[in-house]
Amino acid sequence: DAGVIQSPRHEVTEMGQEVTLRCKPISGHNSLFWYRQTMMRGLELLIYFNNNVPIDDSGMPEDRFSAKMPNASFSTLKIQPSEPRDSAVYFCASSLARRGTQYFGPGTRLTVL
Amino acid sequence: AQTVTQSQPEMSVQEAETVTLSCTYDTSESNYYLFWYKQPPSRQMILVIRQEAYKQQNATENRFSVNFQKAAKSFSLKISDSQLGDTAMYFCAFMGGQGAQKLVFGQGTRLTINP
Repeated sequence: DAGVIQSPRHEVTEMGQEVTLRCKPISGHNSLFWYRQTMMRGLELLIYFNNNVPIDDSGMPEDRFSAKMPNASFSTLKIQPSEPRDSAVYFCASSLARRGTQYFGPGTRLTVL
Repeated sequence: AQTVTQSQPEMSVQEAETVTLSCTYDTSESNYYLFWYKQPPSRQMILVIRQEAYKQQNATENRFSVNFQKAAKSFSLKISDSQLGDTAMYFCAFMGGQGAQKLVFGQGTRLTINP
């Protein structure tokens, strides 16, 4: 079975540009999570969805970040405009149940110059 | 807010040895879950083991086992017969609280298995 799929795997962009990260959860999973990993802050949750509905977005750093889940098999995380401090690895994860184990995608390494 | 602390930034052992990684957490919740994830150089986050707080029995997965001490809020990971492929960052994580699904991670321990 396919795991969580993320694209792109690497993204290099210039400050001020819009960046869109994509995620396809494991089929049948109804919870989806976006995490960010940096050297300074470690791994932190940005937002999560249950049944395509955003439940907790308190980790979203600021209005430049937005996330959507238009259907059960697709989610996007958008940064507009991007800044150098947004450089990080962004992970998407999904789980089958509310307290289920979260399975992570391979991550997107974002570099903002 | 829950916090997770991994006090060992780095560890190094010889192949076939047993190694224990430490993790402590702080919570007022009684119902929660604890995890160990492995992140090899490929950066993929891989689940190693999961423990439900209501279960007194320590979880095991082949060479991996935990020592869960609920009163002490301690959750250590033991790796037996360590292999070169165990070289990775290891993260301890907490999930719990009313309706809370987010994972709260520790800072990680970089484990190196030497031949």
